[in-house]
This record gives sequence, C-alpha cells and structure tokens, in this order.
Amino acid sequence: KQEVTQIPAALSVPEGENLVLNCSFTDSAIYNLQWFRQDPGKGLTSLLLIQSSQREQTSGRLNASLDKSSGRSTLYIAASQPGDSATYLCAVRRSQAGTALIFGKGTTLSVSS
Amino acid sequence: DTGVSQNPRHKITKRGQNVTFRCDPISEHNRLYWYRQTLGQGPEFLTYFQNEAQLEKSRLLSDRFSAERPKGSFSTLEIQRTEQGDSAMYLCASSPGQGVWAGELFFGEGSRLTVL
Repeated sequence: KQEVTQIPAALSVPEGENLVLNCSFTDSAIYNLQWFRQDPGKGLTSLLLIQSSQREQTSGRLNASLDKSSGRSTLYIAASQPGDSATYLCAVRRSQAGTALIFGKGTTLSVSS
Repeated sequence: DTGVSQNPRHKITKRGQNVTFRCDPISEHNRLYWYRQTLGQGPEFLTYFQNEAQLEKSRLLSDRFSAERPKGSFSTLEIQRTEQGDSAMYLCASSPGQGVWAGELFFGEGSRLTVL
C-alpha cells in the first residue's frame, strides 16, 4: 500500500529565506507526483507536476525534484514571501494515469515579514 | 471562470438528513474525482469517473454515499442519513485524459459539510 509522508509538519521562516519541503513515498512505482498549495478553508492549487521520467520541474521561485529510486521528492522555494504562507501537499499517482492520487498530510508553512 | 466549480460551498445539516453536492469540472476534462478532507489531514480519495463510468471507489465510500456523473459532464455526490463523522470538506477535481497535462488534477474550492 502506497504511503506518502511529508516532513516537517510545520515550518516557520523569516521572509527572504530559501527553504525545502520534503516528501517521501513507500512504493517507487509511480506514474507522476504533484505538489499542491492549500490556503486555509480553500481548495487545492496545483503548483508542479513531475512525470515519472522527469527529475525536476521549475515554475518561478519553485523547483520540485523527484528521485523515484529513493522514493523522495523535494519542493524548493526561493526567496520566501509572506504570501507563500499556506499548506503544501505532495501527492503521488499509481502506475496508471487514471487512478487516484495518494496524498501526504502536508507541511504548513508560515513566512514572517 | 473556467475552473472546477462546486456547490454549495457550505452546508450545515442535522444528523440523519440527506445532502447532495454538485461538481462542474473543467470543460472537456473527461476524468472527475471526489475526495474528502478532514482538518489536519491530506485529501482522501473517494471515487473516480472517466466520462460517465464510475471506474474506482474507495472503501471509504460506504453504502450511504453515492456519486453519479450521468452525462459525463457534472457530477453529484449524495450522502444519505448523515452522521457527525461525515463532517469534512468534500473536494472535486478534474483531469484531462490526454495531452501534455494528462494526469494533472485541478481542484475546486470544495464543499464544507457540518453535521450537527
């Protein structure tokens, strides 16, 4: 059974700091991995999608990496801003494109000004 | 707005009542998913449609839960005889089946259910 773990559960940093969020998964046979952002009481916003054949994806100040063999992904946020404060969720899809995402519990990030 | 739309956004009901949530996916997305999220947890998969066919159901989807997508467009999730444990955010997501974005899920704002 696929399990997704995110560490740390919460993180507080001052504005401007670079930071890394970690995601690990137990079964390396994944189709893709997706990072989401969730603001309190809101739905999920897709940040980055990494296909199983890719090693990393970048969007603006965000960079996500994927190491399937070790069952790990990281989300790197450069020059953090107070507007980055949110919960960040990692999710993996099993081997077929149509099947469900399995989510971690998320890392709640607080960036102080 | 061409994103995933969910209604109602909030629903408060008494235990034992039935509730129904609606999800309108992004047009031309043939895949639609329902998830449930409780406080401090990641979303948990409930069910998945490809067009009008319900292809996968989680064990979390008890017989009090039913989902439909009759014409392969919008979907409804009905909960019968609600229990306090059903209180959660119900999230809908859609995904294209083909193309460069295949497999990427786009979520709606969710429908929050409170059962008193």
